[in-house]
Amino acid sequence: DTAVSQTPKYLVTQMGNDKSIKCEQNLGHDTMYWYKQDSKKFLKIMFSYNNKELIINETVPNRFSPKSPDKAHLNLHINSLELGDSAVYFCASSQGGATKFFGPGTRLTVL
Amino acid sequence: DAKTTQPTSMDCAEGRAANLPCNHSTISGNEYVYWYRQIHSQGPQYIIHGLKNNETNEMASLIITEDRKSSTLILPHATLRDTAVYYCIVRAGNYGGATNKLIFGTGTLLAVQP
Repeated sequence: DTAVSQTPKYLVTQMGNDKSIKCEQNLGHDTMYWYKQDSKKFLKIMFSYNNKELIINETVPNRFSPKSPDKAHLNLHINSLELGDSAVYFCASSQGGATKFFGPGTRLTVL
Repeated sequence: DAKTTQPTSMDCAEGRAANLPCNHSTISGNEYVYWYRQIHSQGPQYIIHGLKNNETNEMASLIITEDRKSSTLILPHATLRDTAVYYCIVRAGNYGGATNKLIFGTGTLLAVQP
C-alpha cells in the first residue's frame, strides 16, 4: 500500500493557467507538508499543516494556496502559473516529528 | 540555510561499507542529526536519526562524535540500489510547529560501483 500518494505524477501546462496537485496519506499522521525541489535540486519546505491547521508558511507567493479538507489530505492549488514554478513538488507526512514519509513527487513543467 | 556540510560526492564498491561524513559544528544541545536519502526521481527517504548515542537500524548505522560536531552514516554492505543523494540534517528535538521543517543542504551523491 502506498503511504503517501500524489496525483498527478507529471503536469505540463501553459503560463497563466491554474492547476492543482493532490496528496493523500494513509498513515494516520497528523501533519502534512509540501516541499519544492527546483532545477538545482534544492529541496525547500513550502507549507505544513497540523490537524488541518496551517503551521508553516515559508514566504511562498500567495498564488500558492494549500487546502487540507481533512487530516489525510493536503492539496496544493497554484494560480497564474509562471515559468519559475517549474519544479518537482513533494508532499510528506509525519506524526508530529521530523521522521517524514515523502510522496513520489509531481513534476510540474510550465511552458 | 543548512547547518551541515557534506562532501559533494563519494564512490563506493558494491558490497563494501559506505561511510558518509557530515560536519555540524554549530549543533545545539537539543538538536538531532537526521539522515535522508533521495534516489533519482523519487521522494526523499528517511534513514536514521540520533541525538548523541550511536544508532543502528535495518538500513544503516549512525556514529556521532562525542562532541557532536560531526557524524558518519554507515551503510554496511552497499548495493547498486544505494546509489543516491544522502542528506544530513540537524533539527531541534522538540516536536511541533516550525521545528518540524527539515532544511536540506546539497547532500552527498553516493555512487556505488559494480
